[in-house]
Amino acid sequence: DGGITQSPKYLFRKEGQNVTLSCEQNLNHDAMYWYRQDPGQGLRLIYYSQIVNDFQKGDIAEGYSVSREKKESFPLTVTSAQKNPTAFYLCASRGTGGRTGELFFGEGSRLTVL
Amino acid sequence: AQSVTQLGSHVSVSEGALVLLRCNYSSSVPPYLFWYVQYPNQGLQLLLKYTTGATLVKGINGFEAEFKKSETSFHLTKPSAHMSDAAEYFCAVSEERSSYKLIFGSGTRLLVRP
Repeated sequence: DGGITQSPKYLFRKEGQNVTLSCEQNLNHDAMYWYRQDPGQGLRLIYYSQIVNDFQKGDIAEGYSVSREKKESFPLTVTSAQKNPTAFYLCASRGTGGRTGELFFGEGSRLTVL
Repeated sequence: AQSVTQLGSHVSVSEGALVLLRCNYSSSVPPYLFWYVQYPNQGLQLLLKYTTGATLVKGINGFEAEFKKSETSFHLTKPSAHMSDAAEYFCAVSEERSSYKLIFGSGTRLLVRP
């Protein structure tokens, strides 16, 4: 089945460590996104990519980095510079519908900093 | 800039009662509007979307929403709540200047009482 796969589902890290969250899609979508979700704050955009080898900062990019070397993959690295990294991270993709096209989401990755 | 406001972070209804979740947006014409549902520790699933045409949009699981331009609203309704409807619901709008960004509201948690 086509969809978006995020891994790992749960991740624990110590302060000062970088961690990379994986996101893979087989929907042949051009655009991919990373959102952060905190209780009561909805979804906030971290980074997005419209095509391979190109990406843009979202509203809360500080302390995060991404790459888009392949169409189907958009990994997110949470660096030690991110001051409050404990959160639920959601990856999404969007097809060629432009503004009318909906986002398709993965199941999310929950990161906890110990 | 476009924005989305969801009135009420929590809504509680009895099983069998009407569900009404409110969403107001600010946007230049035309907005493209979406409702998503999220179950605990899962990704978001599209319920319905408005792009053009009929202002009353029907979605999955018996939900529907009506686009009211004069009120800048896109409220979500369901005639009769079921226990399985308990979840968090997000309203979203497609951003004007970029065809690839979706702006989310802060979410409304629906509680269904037996």
